[in-house]
Amino acid sequence: GAVVSQHPSWVICKSGTSVKIECRSLDFQATTMFWYRQFPKQSLMLMATSNEGSKATYEQGVEKDKFLINHASLTLSTLTVTSAHPEDSSFYICSARDAGGGFGQYFGPGTRLTVT
Amino acid sequence: DQQVKQNSPSLSVQEGRISILNCDYTNSMFDYFLWYKKYPAEGPTFLISISSIKDKNEDGRFTVFLNKSAKHLSLHIVPSQPGDSAVYFCAASEVWGATNKLIFGTGTLLAVQP
Repeated sequence: GAVVSQHPSWVICKSGTSVKIECRSLDFQATTMFWYRQFPKQSLMLMATSNEGSKATYEQGVEKDKFLINHASLTLSTLTVTSAHPEDSSFYICSARDAGGGFGQYFGPGTRLTVT
Repeated sequence: DQQVKQNSPSLSVQEGRISILNCDYTNSMFDYFLWYKKYPAEGPTFLISISSIKDKNEDGRFTVFLNKSAKHLSLHIVPSQPGDSAVYFCAASEVWGATNKLIFGTGTLLAVQP
């Protein structure tokens, strides 16, 4: 089946620093990748839609200058949390849609970010 | 504005019995629905989906029912197994929309008691 990986799986950083999270589709090409955020006991909230070779589309309320998304290839999208603050601590999950068809999304295992 | 709602935050079922998880939506433009299973600190795993042209889709122990007029769908798991214990999210999408993005419900924690 389609596999999506994320790296790192968890990261602790100091307030004010930047953190990059990678999302890779391992056995398929993904023209579209999505970035979600999940707070404890809450739903997955879509942050942005990332299309290969173009600018990401951010959901309302998501700061595009704080959450930088780059989708440089058909198998890799990155999310950079810039100038992280403790309130950015969350579980970040990416998903990818197979360019070969289908309407579903395959999810990565998630990245736990803790900002101290 | 929560377009996809799962009104039961938790559900407890005995092993071997049927688990029924419910989901309601408000956007009549949604035409594709999915169920995901999620363990803590892991990404969601796809379970089953249904298109709005159908009212039922079955895959092994999992069956999804869609009632378009009521804007309601449900996931039936039978027989329930302890390994089914997880958080279940329903999600909806406009297949022919601009981005096909998924809108998730708030999730239902299913506990299957041995």
